[in-house]
Order: sequence, then C-alpha cells, then structure tokens
Amino acid sequence: NAGVTQTPKFQVLKTGQSMTLQCAQDMNHNSMYWYRQDPGMGLRLIYYSASEGTTDKGEVPNGYNVSRLNKREFSLRLESAAPSQTSVYFCASSPLPRDEKLFFGSGTQLSVL
Amino acid sequence: AQKITQTQPGMFVQEKEAVTLDCTYDTSDPSYGLFWYKQPSSGEMIFLIYQGSYDQQNATEGRYSLNFQKARKSANLVISASQLGDSAMYFCAMRSNNFNKFYFGSGTKLNVKP
Repeated sequence: NAGVTQTPKFQVLKTGQSMTLQCAQDMNHNSMYWYRQDPGMGLRLIYYSASEGTTDKGEVPNGYNVSRLNKREFSLRLESAAPSQTSVYFCASSPLPRDEKLFFGSGTQLSVL
Repeated sequence: AQKITQTQPGMFVQEKEAVTLDCTYDTSDPSYGLFWYKQPSSGEMIFLIYQGSYDQQNATEGRYSLNFQKARKSANLVISASQLGDSAMYFCAMRSNNFNKFYFGSGTKLNVKP
C-alpha cells in the first residue's frame, strides 16, 4: 500500500547542477501533479499531467521540465538549478472522478546553494 | 483565473474550543470542488474534508465541518473541540473541474493552547 512515492527525500545541489525528482503511484490514477511549497505561499502548481502522454504547465513552470513516463511515473527535472528553486517539492496524484482528492507523496526538501 | 485566499496567516485557539479557518475562492467554473488539507510539522499532507460546488448540504467529517457559502464564494473550515494534535498548517484548495487542476491557498498555521 505504497500510494505516492517520491525520491529523494532530501537533496542539496550547487547552482547550475541538474537533477530529476522521481515520483511513482500505484493507485492506477490518471492525473499526476508537481507542486512546490514555499513559506507564506502555500503550494503552487509547477506542472501536471491529466493522463498518460499529456503534460501541461501550471502556475510556476519556468526552470522545470516534466516527463510522464507511463501511467505510474511522473518525473520533474531541474536542468540548471538556481537558489530560487530551493523549496519543498510534492508529487501528487488523483483519479479522474471529480470528487476525488489529491493523494500526496511525502515531499522532497531541495536546497540549491 | 482561479484563486484561493486564506487571510489568517496564524491563529491561536484554546483546547476544547471551536475554531473557524477562513477561505475564499474565485473561479468562473460552474463546477468545482473544495478541499481542506492539514500539514503537521512532520510535513505530510493529510486530507480532511471535501465539498462539491453542487452539494446542497455542508460537508462534515467527524470534528471537521465545511461552512460552504456559494454566493459569497467562501469555504470555511470549522474544527470543533480543538485538540493539541490539531496544531498544524491548514490549506484550503480548489479543483477546477474543467481542467482537473488543484489550486491552494497560502495556509493558516493553527496553534492549540492547553
């Protein structure tokens, strides 16, 4: 009963380095999301994928890319990390029925020095 | 554009008292869903309660109830009989049914005093 699994849990990068945050869900959900959480700003949507093979920008997509590898997996890539990308990142998923909630992963704490 | 506003950055409540956390939203979608999540200091996001825009009755889940006033576009969370374990960050969220996106407010940090 894993739900939504994110890796890694913690990461420290230097400015300019690249990395990929991995996310997988085992609930057969169609929709998957990436959020970032910053103090005083709540959770802001970076990218989402309504279904396998589709992705779309959210509120703050600049500096990020995503891949919906298959129905289970949705990765977030930082090509050239910047200190402004220091944040807590959450992956989430949801089935399509409209009254269904978001199921969250445990988060990734990323620091860019 | 969709927007969620939580105007109370922090609140205190006495243990066993009731508390209301405010949430207003803005959307042009005719159909949407409203959610509240709790985030304790451990960081995980815990779903609390859901209200659909066409639901006639206010949602309730145990000690949690959602005071839904559609005309005022508000979806306040009421916690009855506060407990020390209710101390956490609380987020209001809205799902746009047109695009299946979820939008979050900035959160309210609730502290329950013994």
